[in-house]
Amino acid sequence: GENVEQHPSTLSVQEGDSAVIKCTYSDSASNYFPWYKQELGKGPQLIIDIRSNVGEKKDQRIAVTLNKTAKHFSLHITETQPEDSAVYFCAAKEDDKIIFGKGTRLHILP
Amino acid sequence: ETGVTQSPTHLIKTRGQQVTLRCSSQSGHNTVSWYQQALGQGPQFIFQYYREEENGRGNFPPRFSGLQFPNYSSELNVNALELDDSALYLCASSSTGVTEAFFGQGTRLTVV
Repeated sequence: GENVEQHPSTLSVQEGDSAVIKCTYSDSASNYFPWYKQELGKGPQLIIDIRSNVGEKKDQRIAVTLNKTAKHFSLHITETQPEDSAVYFCAAKEDDKIIFGKGTRLHILP
Repeated sequence: ETGVTQSPTHLIKTRGQQVTLRCSSQSGHNTVSWYQQALGQGPQFIFQYYREEENGRGNFPPRFSGLQFPNYSSELNVNALELDDSALYLCASSSTGVTEAFFGQGTRLTVV
C-alpha cells in the first residue's frame, strides 16, 4: 500500500521568511496529493492540493510542486506570518482513503 | 454551506466499555470517512461509508464498526475499549467523483 514520508518533523522560521516541507510517496498510481493544516484542538483543514497531471499550483502565499518521476512533492509558504504556526500534513489518496505523512510542526519566530 | 460537525467534542470512557461517536457530513456530501489520530501522529484511515454501506476499511479490528444514515450522517462505534484507543477521532466528508475531503473538529476520546 501507499506510504508517505514527510520531512522535517519540526521547522522554525523567522517571520517573513519562507518555509518548505517535503514529502515522498511510494505508490506510482497515486494521483491526488492534498495538504492539510491542523491547529491545536482542531481538525485538519485542506489548504491546497495538486493532481498528478499538474507540476505546480499556487494560491497566494502557498504553492505546491509535484515531481511524479521522483515521487516527491513539496509545500512552499512565502512571507510567513504568525498565523502560519501549526502542524502541516502532506497526504496521498489511495482508492478510498487518504494516507497521511507524520506531520511537520511549523513555528514562526517573531 | 454547513461544515462537518462531530459530537461530542470530548469523552472519557473506562477500559472495556463501548462508545459511539457521531458525525454530520457537509451539505451536499454523500461519503463519510473516519480516521484515528494518535498524539503526534498523522490520521489513520479506519473506514469509509457510502450509500449506507462500508466502502473500504483500514487496518482496524472488527470492534470498530460504523453506520451511515439516509441523511449521510454517520456513527463510529468502538466496543471493548482499550487504553490504546485513546486518540482524536476525525470524520471527513466528500462527494462521489470529487477528490477533496473536509474534516470535522474531531472527538477526543480518553480511555482510562
